Amino acid sequence: RKEVEQDPGPFNVPEGATVAFNCTYSNSASQSFFWYRQDCRKEPKLLMSVYSSGNEDGRFTAQLNRASQYISLLIRDSKLSDSATYLCVVSRWDDKIIFGKGTRLHILP
Amino acid sequence: EADIYQTPRYLVIGTGKKITLECSQTMGHDKMYWYQQDPGMELHLIHYSYGVNSTEKGDLSSESTVSRIRTEHFPLTLESARPSHTSQYLCASSEIPLGGFNEKLFFGSGTQLSVL
Repeated sequence: RKEVEQDPGPFNVPEGATVAFNCTYSNSASQSFFWYRQDCRKEPKLLMSVYSSGNEDGRFTAQLNRASQYISLLIRDSKLSDSATYLCVVSRWDDKIIFGKGTRLHILP
Repeated sequence: EADIYQTPRYLVIGTGKKITLECSQTMGHDKMYWYQQDPGMELHLIHYSYGVNSTEKGDLSSESTVSRIRTEHFPLTLESARPSHTSQYLCASSEIPLGGFNEKLFFGSGTQLSVL
């Protein structure tokens, strides 16, 4: 079992819809959590950190549930430009950074 | 935008050649990383460094080597390239806030290596 697991998708969603995906992690030594976005054949870029209290950045909302060990990302009013792969990333107490395999999102016109 | 640069962007080379992939950052970050990624697949950590004169092997066994003589520079070398080395190589550096939490990675644009 992978330490960080994501549904690979693809999620095919019409423009304007709301889409959500989850990520689960198995190591209780995980301390920091992030969502990165990676466009096709490009480098990953930090989308947002994920805080225990939940946090929002425009159309994006991230949630962390430490008890159930999962992280979620919600995208409201999706745009064509949101099409990308979303990587769940977990940082552990021993300095290791673990990447999920990513969830592919296709926004359909 | 992050100031981390990789060269070359694309490299096509024959089997047996020695190659060095360059990575430089101007942010003064101590930690730097090399990842390998095949199309549509996950990132694999191959090397990392905590700072000058520090190099560590990552999770994925690699025939490459790295050096860290200067903070800003973290080159990766393959002594004898093989077709199995064909992949995208991504360099990253990180800013660690006070307290050690919330380490954020900044990636270069990557080097797409093709070994014929």
